Amino acid sequence: GQSLEQPSEVTAVEGAIVQINCTYQTSGFYGLSWYQQHDGGAPTFLSYNALDGLEETGRFSSFLSRSDSYGYLLLQELQMKDSASYFCAVIVPGGKLIFGQGTTLQVKP
Amino acid sequence: DTEVTQTPKHLVMGMTNKKSLKCEQHMGHRAMYWYKQKAKKPPELMFVYSYEKLSINESVPSRFSPECPNSSLLNLHLHALQPEDSALYLCASSLGTSGNNEQFFGPGTRLTVL
Repeated sequence: GQSLEQPSEVTAVEGAIVQINCTYQTSGFYGLSWYQQHDGGAPTFLSYNALDGLEETGRFSSFLSRSDSYGYLLLQELQMKDSASYFCAVIVPGGKLIFGQGTTLQVKP
Repeated sequence: DTEVTQTPKHLVMGMTNKKSLKCEQHMGHRAMYWYKQKAKKPPELMFVYSYEKLSINESVPSRFSPECPNSSLLNLHLHALQPEDSALYLCASSLGTSGNNEQFFGPGTRLTVL
């Protein structure tokens, strides 16, 4: 089967750093993506890792360890607008995106 | 133009109605997707079109019928739906279906079946 595990909820305060972990078990693997989705909105692409290591894009960074089937999304200098759902997703052959169940991030003042 | 557009934004239909959802992109992408998303759940893949040909059907009931008239357009025809089909229907597109192909999502159509 195909499965991705990520925490269901994370709470943090403004200005803090938060890490959302994702472990996966899939048939085939091209890479790990992260998407952000605000309530009532569409998923927005944040990052993609195909190789081991850290990718940094502004306040967001994403990490992948293929040998451990593990990745994480790191959000720094949290802002209220970062309150949203965050999905990890594995790209498998055929172009399919397999999504995790999502992590609801609540940023408090 | 770097966006995927979807119409309508909202749709309410009865179980005997026939309606269509439309999706359009002008980014030159050759892969297009339909997803269904229930509240508090991740998007679930329904169909993948690659170069205007249906490449993946995730065992979707035949009351959902996709159509790709050209490389920029994707439709989803709906007929005899059930109340449990009420959901957000998302269209996405990407350059292709191999390797890293970031999928750009449209804003979705919120469908309610009465």
